[in-house]
Amino acid sequence: DVVMTQSPLSLPVTLGQPASISCRSSQSLVNGDGKTYLNWFQQRPGQSPRRLIFKVSYRDSGVPDRFSGSGSGTDFTLEISRVEAEDVGIYYCMQGTHWPWTFGQGTKVEIK
Amino acid sequence: EVQLLESGGGLVQPGGSLTLSCEASGFTFSSYAMNWVRQAPGKGLEWVSTIAGSSGSTYYADSVKGRFTISRDNSKNTLYLQMSSLRAEDTALYYCAKADVVGVIKSRSTDCWGQGTLVSVSS
Repeated sequence: DVVMTQSPLSLPVTLGQPASISCRSSQSLVNGDGKTYLNWFQQRPGQSPRRLIFKVSYRDSGVPDRFSGSGSGTDFTLEISRVEAEDVGIYYCMQGTHWPWTFGQGTKVEIK
Repeated sequence: EVQLLESGGGLVQPGGSLTLSCEASGFTFSSYAMNWVRQAPGKGLEWVSTIAGSSGSTYYADSVKGRFTISRDNSKNTLYLQMSSLRAEDTALYYCAKADVVGVIKSRSTDCWGQGTLVSVSS
């Protein structure tokens, strides 16, 4: 199975400041159709996961534009341009290129 | 609005059995593959199983193969997970999750999760 490695695992941030989470895969996530199936999920405390980003950089409906995804091949990044209080939670990357789905360990974002 | 509502979790002894259900609404259930994903207490997410929308094709994580059975009743818009020979390491919050693309058996992502149902395996 593809191993997904996130860093950092804990990310204290100041309100209004940017935040960045890295995700690396053990093999390329470029699929045979040329697309890269890398997703980002947010899990707020006590809630189920919610998808924020799919195919590296496409935001889901209703996701604030302060969230952006980038990367290629094996290296990917989720960025929050200006952290708000509602962004507290755990963020997971997930690959869907190679079966089965695999997730990163999660990055806990908290306010300093 | 797409909604997924899991039920059936509870406390069970090691070696015991349990069946989880996930009732879906707000979309054409039979057109989408469905998945179970679990989260052990304080841990990350682990894919458990997938079932195709109508073909009945099923897939399992190695950790549950031979012990868990995924099924669905499209007439009732309901997904199931029959769990047997349960172990302490199966203790987790079990989520059902909808494929994000219609008609694909092995979807590349999920765009909707239920609220989860907790399974605790302990004597």
